[in-house]
Formats: sequence, C-alpha cells, structure tokens
Amino acid sequence: GAGVSQTPSNKVTEKGKYVELRCDPISGHTALYWYRQSLGQGPEFLIYFQGTGAADDSGLPNDRFFAVRPEGSVSTLKIQRTERGDSAVYLCASSLQAVATDTQYFGPGTRLTVL
Amino acid sequence: AQSVAQPEDQVNVAEGNPLTVKCTYSVSGNPYLFWYVQYPNRGLQFLLKYITGDNLVKGSYGFEAEFNKSQTSFHLKKPSALVSDSALYFCAVRGNKAAGNKLTFGGGTRVLVKP
Repeated sequence: GAGVSQTPSNKVTEKGKYVELRCDPISGHTALYWYRQSLGQGPEFLIYFQGTGAADDSGLPNDRFFAVRPEGSVSTLKIQRTERGDSAVYLCASSLQAVATDTQYFGPGTRLTVL
Repeated sequence: AQSVAQPEDQVNVAEGNPLTVKCTYSVSGNPYLFWYVQYPNRGLQFLLKYITGDNLVKGSYGFEAEFNKSQTSFHLKKPSALVSDSALYFCAVRGNKAAGNKLTFGGGTRVLVKP
C-alpha cells in the first residue's frame, strides 16, 4: 500500500518568509510525527499528533513553528519568519497508534533551504 | 532523559564479510529499540525492533540485532554484507510512558561495503 508522502520534496525560500510543509500519513494510522534532520545528524523530534490533537509538542524549537492536523489525517508543519538555521530535512512519520511499541514509518522528507 | 550513542561514524567492510553497527542506549524503564536505514535522498526505512522477549531480533534484508540489557546495547549485525547495504544506519530508542512516544535517535553510522 501507499506509504507516507510529503510535499514538496524540496523547498527553497528566503529568510523571513513563511513556509508550509505537508504530510500525508499511511491510511488508517492515527498517530503522526514530525522530526527534523540537520546535515550529518540523526532526526530530532518536533511534535506528534494522536488524532487531531497535538499530544506532545515539546520538540518545537520556538513559537515560529506550528503544526496542525485538523481532520486527523493530513498534517501541515508551518514555519513563520524562516531563518537560515531552519534549513534541514523535515521528516514525517506515522504509526497505527500512539503506543511505544508501534513502528513509525517515515516519509521521504522535505528538504528546506532558507537563503 | 533518553539517549542513544553510535560510537562509530563510519564502518568499512568488504563484501561477504560480517557487518556490525554498534549502538548503546540510556533510558528509564524498559527500552523499546529500533534500527532504521537511510539511503541517499530517501527517508528512513524500518529494519527491525526489540520490544520484549528473545534478545536476538531478526529483521528485513537479512539484518538482525542483539539486545543486551546488562551492557545497554543493541548492536545491528549482518552475517554477509552486500555492496547494496552501503547506507546510513540509525539506532533509536523509546523509553517509558513519561518520555512520551517520540523516538530518540543516535547520530548515525555510515556503512561502506566494498566489492
């Protein structure tokens, strides 16, 4: 079946601009996660949703970052007033439920470059 | 806080030889451990996980991993490496409920299998 999809695959923007990154999870998966992977590092947790609500947003670096999942399926990560330090690959994952034993399946990522 | 260490930035191995990628972890409570592989410009692909039970876990593409509680390790192994196994490998951990459902990743180990 279809895996996790993310759009766009690449996004180039200028410092100070607003961007939206989209994630479409595996059908039927109730939990959705966002991670950020900087060059040469492992992914770092940003936020996760159980259904429509953000269950843990402790990884969001500051209030410029926000994510929504209004209908419990597709999620959008929003970054305001982008900074060069926001450049990274943003990964989305989903799992059947939000339990520790469930496997998280990752999408291909969105590479964000802030000039 | 939970953490993962992958002590080797890169592992070089000749095709047909055994491959080992090291991982140690620190977590409160029982650990749930995962291995993922990342090919260039691709997302993370799930290889295997340890939840409970047998300490030797078998996964995709001939990979296996051994959970060692006393050494807090979860090393990834493959008896006979292929050139196509060349990729970036990440170990990840989830801890107790208080830690939430986020995965904490190590920094990754690049595997280079030479023909």
